[in-house]
Amino acid sequence: DIQMTQSPPTLSASVGDRITIMCRASQNISRWLAWYQQKAGTAPKLLISEVSILESGVPSRFSGSGSGTEFTLTLNSLQPDDFATYYCQQYHTFWTFGPGTKVEVK
Amino acid sequence: QVQMVQSGAEVQKPGASVRLSCKTSEYVFTRYYLNWVRQAPGEGLEWVGMIIPSSGSTTYTQRLQDRVTITRDTSTTTVHMELSGLKSEDTAVYYCATGTSFYTGFENWGLGTLVTVSS
Repeated sequence: DIQMTQSPPTLSASVGDRITIMCRASQNISRWLAWYQQKAGTAPKLLISEVSILESGVPSRFSGSGSGTEFTLTLNSLQPDDFATYYCQQYHTFWTFGPGTKVEVK
Repeated sequence: QVQMVQSGAEVQKPGASVRLSCKTSEYVFTRYYLNWVRQAPGEGLEWVGMIIPSSGSTTYTQRLQDRVTITRDTSTTTVHMELSGLKSEDTAVYYCATGTSFYTGFENWGLGTLVTVSS
C-alpha cells in the first residue's frame, strides 16, 4: 500500500500570510495527487487534481506543485475562509489520503 | 449539479452489520465511479472501496476487504455499502463520493452518514 504523510500536522497563520503544506508519498506516484479542503462538519471539497490543476471555482491563491514522492500545497494571501483542514490524496494505486494539516488562526 | 443522497444515521451493536445507501442520478450511475470514504470522529479520511456502477466492478481497501461489500441497484440508481462484524472503531461518518475519471480526485461528495457502533 502507498502511505501518505503530511507536514505540519497543524499550522498557525494569520490572514494575508503565505502558507505551504507538504505531502510525501511512500513511493513514486508520478503526478496522481489531489488536494482537498474540509471544514468542520462538512464533506471534503476537491481543490486540486493532478498536482496542480485547480478545480473550477477554486481561487487562484491556491497552487500545487511537485512530482514523484514530494508535493506541496501553497496558499498565497490566506483568507478567513481558508482556515480548515487540508488533505492530500494519491490515486496512483487505489486511493490513500494523508493524515491532514489543520490551518488555524494564529 | 451532481447529487448523491445518502441514507440516514445508524446505531448498531458490535458484531452487527450495517447497510448504507447512496442514491444518485442515471447520468452519474452510467458515467462515473463511486467511492465510499469514512472519517472517524476527530480523525482523517480513509478510502473504503469503489464501484463502477455501470459494470458492478468493485475494489476494496485491503484493511476492510473481508468485511465490506459494495453493490449497486441499477433499477434505483443506488449504490449500497455493507459493513459486517462491526467494531467500535467502525464508528465514523461514511461518505459516498464520485469521480468522473481515474485521472482526477473525488469531485462530488454526499453529506455523509454517521454510523455509531455501541453496545
